[in-house]
Amino acid sequence: RKEVEQDPGPFNVPEGATVAFNCTYSNSASQSFFWYRQDCRKEPKLLMSVYSSGNEDGRFTAQLNRASQYISLLIRDSKLSDSATYLCVVNKDNYGQNFVFGPGTRLSVLP
Amino acid sequence: ETGVTQSPTHLIKTRGQQVTLRCSSQSGHNTVSWYQQALGQGPQFIFQYYREEENGRGNFPPRFSGLQFPNYSSELNVNALELDDSALYLCASSPRQAYGYTFGSGTRLTVV
Repeated sequence: RKEVEQDPGPFNVPEGATVAFNCTYSNSASQSFFWYRQDCRKEPKLLMSVYSSGNEDGRFTAQLNRASQYISLLIRDSKLSDSATYLCVVNKDNYGQNFVFGPGTRLSVLP
Repeated sequence: ETGVTQSPTHLIKTRGQQVTLRCSSQSGHNTVSWYQQALGQGPQFIFQYYREEENGRGNFPPRFSGLQFPNYSSELNVNALELDDSALYLCASSPRQAYGYTFGSGTRLTVV
């Protein structure tokens, strides 16, 4: 089993749709969690950290369920500019030695 | 505030050669990590440097080595290049360990 798994994608959605990305991780001792966004042939960029209490940033909502080892990202009212690959990232310890990236889920928002 | 810069942006090497990739971390960031991203996959952790010492290593052979300098810039060296080493190599820096990383735009290495 891979350490971090994500929906295989791609997701093709119309503008204005709500889309949810799912991610599971295998190491129950994992300490911190992030969502990154990667545009085609560009570097990953931090979208948001994920906290146990859940957190929201505008149209984006991230949730963490430690018991189920599950992370989610919800995008509401999707825009054309949201088209990208979304990477789930898990930090296995508090020392930052090894951020483990999932394979990513590609999103295309269509006009 | 300057971001993370990597050089060169693109590189073509022949199998068996050696390559050095460079990274200047973001101002104030003392932790640098290197990742390899093959096409269609997520980045894979190579190693991390913290205050000039290797501070963790992923599942990469010893021919992948690195350095961090007093100004926190870093190098990734790969010896005896193989065709499978063709990938985007990403450098990421952080102001402290276990914090979200800022990535450079990467070096795209092609081994022929």
